[in-house]
Amino acid sequence: DTGVSQDPRHKITKRGQNVTFRCDPISEHNRLYWYRQTLGQGPEFLTYFQNEAQLEKSRLLSDRFSAERPKGSFSTLEIQRTEQGDSAMYLCASSSGQPTDTQYFGPGTRLTVL
Amino acid sequence: GENVEQHPSTLSVQEGDSAVIKCTYSDSASNYFPWYKQELGKGPQLIIDIRSNVGEKKDQRIAVTLNKTAKHFSLHITETQPEDSAVYFCAASKGTSGTYKYIFGTGTRLKVLA
Repeated sequence: DTGVSQDPRHKITKRGQNVTFRCDPISEHNRLYWYRQTLGQGPEFLTYFQNEAQLEKSRLLSDRFSAERPKGSFSTLEIQRTEQGDSAMYLCASSSGQPTDTQYFGPGTRLTVL
Repeated sequence: GENVEQHPSTLSVQEGDSAVIKCTYSDSASNYFPWYKQELGKGPQLIIDIRSNVGEKKDQRIAVTLNKTAKHFSLHITETQPEDSAVYFCAASKGTSGTYKYIFGTGTRLKVLA
């Protein structure tokens, strides 16, 4: 068990470009979460999948953001037409749901929008 | 709305002393309270958690207490060491009450002075 992995670890892009991040959860974890963390703040929930179904989305997740988990394993988070306000650390977590929904976090992808 | 307040925002202690971080949650349906440690450039790492049917939990130098009536919970670190220096986040979750997202506090930067 190698833990949650995220790729890339860092991404620098220009305003208006599209970016895509990938998350590989702990194997056999059926729940996968995306959070966003800005400097000096705690992580904020974006969205959550149970297997391949996206069951909850935060109002923080504007229509420029889309997340997928096509086969119930890895997930991608895409941001279209990036804005400077999208600069943040994007964290992925996974859980098995049993006996508690303890979420294990990956190292994050730090996005900088110039 | 759902909210978790965390205090203090920064805490400096001498090596060997104890550190206490306090959190208050707003949603009385919250039933699971994890604590995470985050080092610079890394994702949050779970250090201890507590469920609402338990008042206290201890793991070596770390303990967590929960007061459901007052809706607050605290992290206690005894015999602090320099490697305890990091940012600590509390979180609250409603678990099986329809949503699994975590609501995080704003973090406490702990500095252990050698």
